[in-house]
Parts: sequence; C-alpha cells; structure tokens
Amino acid sequence: AQTVTQSQPEMSVQEAETVTLSCTYDTSESDYYLFWYKQPPSRQMILVIRQEAYKQQNATENRFSVNFQKAAKSFSLKISDSQLGDAAMYFCAYRRGETSGSRLTFGEGTQLTVNP
Amino acid sequence: DTEVTQTPKHLVMGMTNKKSLKCEQHMGHRAMYWYKQKAKKPPELMFVYSYEKLSINESVPSRFSPECPNSSLLNLHLHALQPEDSALYLCASSTTLDSLYEQYFGPGTRLTVT
Repeated sequence: AQTVTQSQPEMSVQEAETVTLSCTYDTSESDYYLFWYKQPPSRQMILVIRQEAYKQQNATENRFSVNFQKAAKSFSLKISDSQLGDAAMYFCAYRRGETSGSRLTFGEGTQLTVNP
Repeated sequence: DTEVTQTPKHLVMGMTNKKSLKCEQHMGHRAMYWYKQKAKKPPELMFVYSYEKLSINESVPSRFSPECPNSSLLNLHLHALQPEDSALYLCASSTTLDSLYEQYFGPGTRLTVT
C-alpha cells in the first residue's frame, strides 16, 4: 500500500522569506502523480502544484516549486516570498496512475504559519 | 467556471434526524467524490461516482447513503448518525476517474451531530 509521510506537523516562516515543506512517499509503482494541496481556514482544499512521476523537470507555479527526487521518493514544496495568505494546512498527496481511478493518499498535513 | 458548491455550509442534527448534503458542479465533470475530514486530519474518501454510477464505496456505514441523480449533482443522505460522525464533509469532482485529472474540491459542509 502506498503511504505518504509529512514529518513536520507545524512550520512557521516570516513574511517575504522562503520555506520548504517536506514530503516522502512509498510506492512500488512507476506511474503516479504527486500533489500539494492547500487548505486555509476557510476550509476549501485548493491544488497548489502537481508533478507527474515520468517528468524529470520539477514543477513550478509562480512562487511555488517542488523538489522531486524520484529515487529518494521525496517531494518537497518550496514557497518563495511567503505571503500572509499562504498560511494554511498543506497536504501532500499521491495518486497511482490509472485510467479507472485510484485513491488520493494524503499525508497528515503541515500547518504553516506566516508571521508578519 | 471551476467551482464546486456545497449546501448547507453548516448543519446540526440530532441522532434521529434525516438530512441531506448537496454538492453541485457545472464543469461537465463525470467523476464526483465524497470525503470526510476530521479536524487537523487529511480527508478520508467515502464514495466515488463515475458517470452517475457508484464506483467506490470505502466500507462506509449504511447510515450514509449517496445518490447521484444527474451528472452535475451529488447528494449524501444522512440518517441515524452518531456523534462521532461530526466532521467536515467535502465534495470533489474531476473530468473523469483518470488519475491525470485534478480533483476540484468544494468548501465543505460542517456537520455536528448532537
């Protein structure tokens, strides 16, 4: 079974600085997708960034980028120029590549606080 | 329009009540999901519908009854719930079940069972 581990239950960062959230996963599959979701206090889960396992290039979305280390099964999220609106619970998630559907496996989450 | 809407936002119900949660999307998505989320925990998958047919039931107790009347609408009927069922219930949708498609989440319904 696939597992996703986020070893940092809580993190904090000063506004305008950079923070990295860690995520490791365990799988024997070769085709899969990795995601970072953000859930602010308003509760709505929003996709921040995704990475296809077959792509060697790390995904980036504006101030958000990932460091995907496939051999190490590591998928960390870097947030640059942190803003107050980045404060949220961040979930790392894994999904096996499958046309008929597979479950999203979430990590336990990292609560990010952004200090002004 | 990339929005999934859920009603009501909050619901308080007694253990003998019957209520329903509603989820709607107009993105033409053919896969819809119900998740249960406890405080400070990740979402747990409950049900998955694909083309209006139940595809996955994660051994959810029968007091939760899902329904997909059409491709835009997903309901969760609640009956004889227990206090431990109090949680945030999230709905999500995606183009199809194919893993390459992103799941879009709604804002959730906060359910309290008294």
